[in-house]
Amino acid sequence: QVRLVHSGAEVKKPGASVKVSCKASGYTFSSYGIHWVRQAPGQRLEWIGWINTRNGDTKFSQKFQGRITISRDASASTAYMELRSLRSEDTAVYYCATDTGNYSDKFFQHWGQGTLVTVSS
Amino acid sequence: DIQMTQSPSTLSASVGDRVTITCRASQSIGILLAWYQQRPGIAPKLLIYKASTLENGVPSRFSGSGSGTKFTLTISSLQPDDFATYYCQQFNSYPLTFGGGTNVEIK
Repeated sequence: QVRLVHSGAEVKKPGASVKVSCKASGYTFSSYGIHWVRQAPGQRLEWIGWINTRNGDTKFSQKFQGRITISRDASASTAYMELRSLRSEDTAVYYCATDTGNYSDKFFQHWGQGTLVTVSS
Repeated sequence: DIQMTQSPSTLSASVGDRVTITCRASQSIGILLAWYQQRPGIAPKLLIYKASTLENGVPSRFSGSGSGTKFTLTISSLQPDDFATYYCQQFNSYPLTFGGGTNVEIK
C-alpha cells in the first residue's frame, strides 16, 4: 500500500532554513505527483506547492515564491521541501501528499504523517 | 485566490444523527471539490472528490453533493469514529485552497 514517511521534527531559529523529506513506498514513485501542505496550530490547511515526480516540474503558492524549493530524488523515492528565511509564522506541521497520478486531479489522496517545524528564538 | 467558506465552524451532534456541512466557494469551481476528515494529531484523510465521488474504502454513510459555488457533505448516521474536523478543498485553480474546517463534536 502507498506509504509516505516524513523526516523528524525540527526546531529552527528565525532566519534559518529547514528541509523536510518525504520517502515514498508501496508504489512506483513516478506514478504520482507530490504536494506539500502545512497546518499551523489551530489553523486551516494551506497548500504550499507540488512537484511532478516524473520530470521535476514544480508549482508553488505565490505566498512562498522566492523562499521555497521542492525537489525529488527518484532513485531514493523521496521528495523534499526546503523553506528558507523562516519566521515564527512558519511554525506548523508540514505534510506531503500524493495526487492521483492524473495531474488534473489536484487533490490529496495519500498523506504522510507530517513533520512538525517549530521556529523559535 | 478562491476563498472557501465552511459552515458551521462547530457542530454538536449525537451518535445516529444526520449531519450536514456546507462549503461555499467565492467563484464557480464546477465540481472540482474534495472533502477530508482529520482527527486530532493525525494527517487528513480523503473522503470525497469531484464533489460526490466516494474515495475507496470510505463508508457509504458519507455523501457529497453540489456544484458551482455551493457544496454539502452529509453523514447519514453519525458514528463514534466520525467525531473529527472536516475540510473542503477546491482544485479548480491554483493556489489550491481549503475551507476553515467544521469540528463535529459530541453533544
